[in-house]
Amino acid sequence: GDSVTQMEGPVTLSEEAFLTINCTYTATGYPSLFWYVQYPGEGLQLLLKATKADDKGSNKGFEATYRKETTSFHLEKGSVQVSDSAVYFCALSDLTGNQFYFGTGTSLTVIP
Amino acid sequence: DAGITQSPRYKITETGRQVTLMCHQTWSHSYMFWYRQDLGHGLRLIYYSAAADITDKGEVPDGYVVSRSKTENFPLTLESATRSQTSVYFCASSRQGANYEQYFGPGTRLTVT
Repeated sequence: GDSVTQMEGPVTLSEEAFLTINCTYTATGYPSLFWYVQYPGEGLQLLLKATKADDKGSNKGFEATYRKETTSFHLEKGSVQVSDSAVYFCALSDLTGNQFYFGTGTSLTVIP
Repeated sequence: DAGITQSPRYKITETGRQVTLMCHQTWSHSYMFWYRQDLGHGLRLIYYSAAADITDKGEVPDGYVVSRSKTENFPLTLESATRSQTSVYFCASSRQGANYEQYFGPGTRLTVT
């Protein structure tokens, strides 16, 4: 079945460091791919998405590119801030758009 | 703009009791979803609804019942709660399905003793 695998955390970075959170997927066909973010005590928010191969999603300095050949959707940011501390979830929706699968989440802490 | 709300925010119940978690959205979104969040599993889809009176199973539906008589409400019922259902439950809504942005509620933390 469809699934998402993302790198284990927690990840701790200093402010202004480069961030990469790895995400790979297994799916039939070409699913849509997402990154959601969960700030402490809150529900999830959509960070970015990509719906087809080679698409790049971007938002708030974060980027991720839909790589069909490596079945990956890695999240990157060039310079993290303390306010980026949160849990990041990679996810996919299946071809029907009804079933949705999250990765296990990666906790990021950014220290000043 | 109330958005999407869940109630209660915290609930403690005993094994075998029936519990209903409420979800209400003010956007008239067609789709609504219930997820549970557990350490080591991320979020897993329990049930979703494409419209009023249309519901379908997600990845982990066993032990749960849903209904959707009105577009804005999507209650989740645990008919006979078990300890394994201790979790944080999130409701979400979307204009046109999971391919589109989902808007999440604040969550309900349920403890089954």
